[in-house]
Amino acid sequence: AQSVAQPEDQVNVAEGNPLTVKCTYSVSGNPYLFWYVQYPNRGLQFLLKYITGDNLVKGSYGFEAEFNKSQTSFHLKKPSALVSDSALYFCAVQDYGQNFVFGPGTRLSVLP
Amino acid sequence: GAVVSQHPSWVICKSGTSVKIECRSLDFQATTMFWYRQFPKQSLMLMATSNEGSKATYEQGVEKDKFLINHASLTLSTLTVTSAHPEDSSFYICSAPLGLAGWNEQFFGPGTRLTVL
Repeated sequence: AQSVAQPEDQVNVAEGNPLTVKCTYSVSGNPYLFWYVQYPNRGLQFLLKYITGDNLVKGSYGFEAEFNKSQTSFHLKKPSALVSDSALYFCAVQDYGQNFVFGPGTRLSVLP
Repeated sequence: GAVVSQHPSWVICKSGTSVKIECRSLDFQATTMFWYRQFPKQSLMLMATSNEGSKATYEQGVEKDKFLINHASLTLSTLTVTSAHPEDSSFYICSAPLGLAGWNEQFFGPGTRLTVL
């Protein structure tokens, strides 16, 4: 069975500092990995995905993620955090049946 | 990109009533759609897979008779919460896949917040 772990419930970072939101996964085959962001009472907004190719994936709003097969990780990063980045972030893996398995989510708070 | 809409965006109902939530793919066809439920401060959990022209597939622990799913057309799936109770209060999100380059990207609706009094 596929699973996704986000070891941190909450990440706090000062505005302008780099941020990292961690994600590890467990899949039986090649992983399709995603990051989504959710603002209060809103649906999911797509940030980026890894399907194949370069391990460093660049996405929306200046975010990027690095696929590390040996560590089964797909950490989300941003060089300089903005207060507006404060939201709930979900890592997800897509299985062959097309549906998603989501991690528990990490709440990011960027402090001014 | 592709757009998925949901209606209503929020609904408040009395206990014992039924509520219908619509999920539409606006500019593409989807033979399959997915329904998720999200409780406060928790992750999204897959409830069921909606299949156009056939019965929905429910995840373990999800009551079929309580959460009725109808995939009426290639652009519309509906979720009806029957005889709703306060514990059904949640954020319901649908998604639809669009095949691109050999794999299927999912597009999520904006969600529907259901509050049962």
